Amino acid sequence: DGGITQSPKYLFRKEGQNVTLSCEQNLNHDAMYWYRQDPGQGLRLIYYSQIVNDFQKGDIAEGYSVSREKKESFPLTVTSAQKNPTAFYLCASSLRVARNEQFFGPGTRLTVL
Amino acid sequence: AQKVTQAQTEISVVEKEDVTLDCVYETRDTTYYLFWYKQPPSGELVFLIRRNSFDEQNEISGRYSWNFQKSTSSFNFTITASQVVDSAVYFCALSEANSGYALNFGKGTSLLVTP
Repeated sequence: DGGITQSPKYLFRKEGQNVTLSCEQNLNHDAMYWYRQDPGQGLRLIYYSQIVNDFQKGDIAEGYSVSREKKESFPLTVTSAQKNPTAFYLCASSLRVARNEQFFGPGTRLTVL
Repeated sequence: AQKVTQAQTEISVVEKEDVTLDCVYETRDTTYYLFWYKQPPSGELVFLIRRNSFDEQNEISGRYSWNFQKSTSSFNFTITASQVVDSAVYFCALSEANSGYALNFGKGTSLLVTP
């Protein structure tokens, strides 16, 4: 089945450790996005990529990094520089810029202890 | 600045009541897209509708309907004869060319439908 997968669903890390969240899609979509969701805050854009080997910062990119080496994959690294990393992280993809209905993965809930 | 405003944080209705979720947006682009997504307790966002800035026709899909008015920069969502399964957080979002068409979300409206 086509879709977006994110793993793991729940992730626990100690403060000061980097952690990488996985996002894979088999929809043949060009564009991929990472959002962060905090209670009562809605979703905020971290990074997005419109094509392989290219990505742009969103509204809250500080403390995060991404790569886009393959069309199917857009991993997000939460670094130790991110002051409040505990949140729900959602990955999304869309066919192209012109077809910008975004499909979302199930999310990863990251808790930093 | 918040580009999408959902003024209603929480709404509670009794089953079979109609309910309208408000959404007001702000943009300088002439070409943009508006969306509604539903987030049930499981957490995954479910796409409901997309509307582009050149199409102001209202749309109805079953018990759901949307009213897009450029004059008031609003894109409201109405659920008719609400059901318990409609309980979720609903997000309105704006997509503009200058951000690579990434979604700019409102803070969401939490809808609770009780039997």
